[in-house]
Amino acid sequence: DAGVTQSPTHLIKTRGQQVTLRCSPKSGHDTVSWYQQALGQGPQFIFQYYEEEERQRGNFPDRFSGHQFPNYSSELNVNALLLGDSALYLCASRPAGVGHSPLHFGNGTRLTVT
Amino acid sequence: GENVEQHPSTLSVQEGDSAVIKCTYSDSASNYFPWYKQELGKRPQLIIDIRSNVGEKKDQRIAVTLNKTAKHFSLHITETQPEDSAVYFCAASVGGSTLGRLYFGRGTQLTVWP
Repeated sequence: DAGVTQSPTHLIKTRGQQVTLRCSPKSGHDTVSWYQQALGQGPQFIFQYYEEEERQRGNFPDRFSGHQFPNYSSELNVNALLLGDSALYLCASRPAGVGHSPLHFGNGTRLTVT
Repeated sequence: GENVEQHPSTLSVQEGDSAVIKCTYSDSASNYFPWYKQELGKRPQLIIDIRSNVGEKKDQRIAVTLNKTAKHFSLHITETQPEDSAVYFCAASVGGSTLGRLYFGRGTQLTVWP
């Protein structure tokens, strides 16, 4: 049973560029969330997708956008990259109709902005 | 929004000793409190969680306690082993929605010396 998978594992971009990160949820999961983890910090919630719609959003600017596809996979897009966007981006999934079911995290994408 | 504080930021113990990590939260509506372990370069992995209708939960060497009145919860690891060395994060989830976001603490770097 595959867990949450993310691609790519590492990425280096230049300020001002745009980036797309991808996530496939764990089998049987239909809700996907994205978190940003800066070095030495806890994960910070970016947004959450369910039924192909953004359901909740954290305190992140509109430069951060996302999408969920019919197969439940998801993309995170970041435009006009800043140096401060350098972080580990974690995707997490859970099944929607199962109470407070635990979040399962992927290994993340390490984004470096130079 | 919710604010989760975690202490200490670093903790060093001798193998076989106990380790305790404490967290406080601000929103009395929070009702789900998971703990994640993150080894260097790896994904956060759920090690134990507790819901607000329970005061304590144990799983082998790991236990979590919750004091709703004081809005704090703690992770207890007994008989620590070198492989327990990692960063531990507490988190809180607000409300009863199955789609609830997690608010994380800043993490505790636990080092267990052989």
